[in-house]
Amino acid sequence: DGGITQSPKYLFRKEGQNVTLSCEQNLNHDAMYWYRQDPGQGLRLIYYSQIVNDFQKGDIAEGYSVSREKKESFPLTVTSAQKNPTAFYLCASSTVDRDLNIQYFGAGTRLSVL
Amino acid sequence: SQQGEEDPQALSIQEGENATMNCSYKTSINNLQWYRQNSGRGLVHLILIRSNEREKHSGRLRVTLDTSKKSSSLLITASRAADTASYFCATQRSGYSTLTFGKGTMLLVSP
Repeated sequence: DGGITQSPKYLFRKEGQNVTLSCEQNLNHDAMYWYRQDPGQGLRLIYYSQIVNDFQKGDIAEGYSVSREKKESFPLTVTSAQKNPTAFYLCASSTVDRDLNIQYFGAGTRLSVL
Repeated sequence: SQQGEEDPQALSIQEGENATMNCSYKTSINNLQWYRQNSGRGLVHLILIRSNEREKHSGRLRVTLDTSKKSSSLLITASRAADTASYFCATQRSGYSTLTFGKGTMLLVSP
């Protein structure tokens, strides 16, 4: 069953704590992305990666960190420096294409602060 | 920065009616895409239109693109209750491999 798997579905963070959101894909895509979605808002790009061991900051990278050690995996860490982490986080993947970037999304992780 | 802006923000119609959503953007693009999001779920790609195309159809979906006005519209014909979702436009700028999403239109189709 091909696709993108995000886990957990729900996550709670205590103040001062780092939490890591998992994203795995078996679509053999080179590019992966992390977005943040706030209520009634569109998606804002946090980080993206087009190749293993390389990633780029998006529009709102402050307070977040990522790694890309394997092609299939792109975990996102929400650090304690992110003061307003409550949001819906979406992971996506695509081929690397400067002409036709069609993205495939996971089901999301909803992060709340305790 | 977010480039696409959809309107209306919310749209409520009856089953069988047509739904039209609009998207405006600011810079030159390579293509424009529409995605659908069911409540609390991920986005699903619906249709893509390239900058050199003016109209595209896929099933009950019709997309138009006017690059001179930097705007696009998505028409869903003969709407069904199952079409209830949020719809987002996303633009891919020339030479860039990322997408910029708008804030979306929330569509409610009542039986």
